[in-house]
Amino acid sequence: ETGVTQSPTHLIKTRGQQVTLRCSSQSGHNTVSWYQQALGQGPQFIFQYYREEENGRGNFPPRFSGLQFPNYSSELNVNALELDDSALYLCASAGPQDGYEQYFGPGTRLTVT
Amino acid sequence: GEDVEQSLFLSVREGDSSVINCTYTDSSSTYLYWYKQEPGAGLQLLTYIFSNMDMKQDQRLTVLLNKKDKHLSLRIADTQTGDSAIYFCAESITAGNMLTFGGGTRLMVKP
Repeated sequence: ETGVTQSPTHLIKTRGQQVTLRCSSQSGHNTVSWYQQALGQGPQFIFQYYREEENGRGNFPPRFSGLQFPNYSSELNVNALELDDSALYLCASAGPQDGYEQYFGPGTRLTVT
Repeated sequence: GEDVEQSLFLSVREGDSSVINCTYTDSSSTYLYWYKQEPGAGLQLLTYIFSNMDMKQDQRLTVLLNKKDKHLSLRIADTQTGDSAIYFCAESITAGNMLTFGGGTRLMVKP
């Protein structure tokens, strides 16, 4: 089991609402990445933060935004939720002591109705 | 853009070897990974290989890389029922950067 934790485990939102998902990185990891995994598919890269700065972004609209805090924990915010945003959201942390291998948290299951 | 392809499903009997295959298109891929996902869970890193290697063995797992054909495989020896899961291959250009995943191969192990 990795030291990456995510909250909440599950949540249900309605279309048009906003949501914030949280991720606590493994100790010593300064990089966090977020992925969206739709049902039956592989994870898709949303963005990455390194030392509180965005360090790469996938093909997601601006209503997907993020933050990384000085303790390297992170948030993913999604505005104006759409039905297609229903997915498992995974965060992964990485750090120099582990050769920047990405360790994944258990995910947050978001359902948009 | 980059693309990673995997077959959808593999069924084997307990004790047999399993071979899960993956192809990728990005010749810049430097790191190639295998992750395991059990139902309702996140991704567990199983093993990885650098693009300058042909093979890597780690206990029951053997990774083979054919860089010319951009083909990666994961062999699981003595497959157990606990190995039943979805297996994802993934690639990245640099360590810690964006991972591009395949669609996953569901491995079913029959007793």
